[in-house]
Amino acid sequence: GDSVTQMEGPVTLSEEAFLTINCTYTATGYPSLFWYVQYPGEGLQLLLKATKADDKGSNKGFEATYRKETTSFHLEKGSVQVSDSAVYFCALSDNSGNTPLVFGKGTRLSVIA
Amino acid sequence: KAGVTQTPRYLIKTRGQQVTLSCSPISGHRSVSWYQQTPGQGLQFLFEYFSETQRNKGNFPGRFSGRQFSNSRSEMNVSTLELGDSALYLCASSFSGKGYEQYFGPGTRLTVT
Repeated sequence: GDSVTQMEGPVTLSEEAFLTINCTYTATGYPSLFWYVQYPGEGLQLLLKATKADDKGSNKGFEATYRKETTSFHLEKGSVQVSDSAVYFCALSDNSGNTPLVFGKGTRLSVIA
Repeated sequence: KAGVTQTPRYLIKTRGQQVTLSCSPISGHRSVSWYQQTPGQGLQFLFEYFSETQRNKGNFPGRFSGRQFSNSRSEMNVSTLELGDSALYLCASSFSGKGYEQYFGPGTRLTVT
């Protein structure tokens, strides 16, 4: 079945550092890809998405590009802030409606001032 | 547009009791999914309802059940609670579930003592 693999955390960075969280997927067909973020004590929020190869999703300074050749959707941000401290989840949908969204295990990011 | 709402936000129950959690999706959304989130197991899919029908089901025992009403509101029920059912229960809604992004509620924190 479809699967998503994220880099293990936790990731600790200093403020203004560059962030990369790796995400690779296994899927048949052409899935849609998502990044969700979960702040402490809250539910998940959609951060960005991409629905086809070479699409770049972006939001709040975060970016991720759908790379079909490497089956990857890495999350990047040029300069992280303390407020970015959260757990980040990569997810995919096979677009059929017959199977649920597939999530990675999540990567905890801590940004220190 | 109002977001996904879940009630109650916090709940404390005793082992052996049953509990019902409620989820109101975003207006116009017909798909509602439920997830269990724990520190040990991460985010696990429980079930998805679409137009009052269960469309997908995760690997949970029959003590976990759900339903969806004609207005798309959904409830999940856990009978004969066990200590291991202590978790954050998240509800997510989407327009159709077919590749559309899911929007999550804040969750219900269930503690079983």
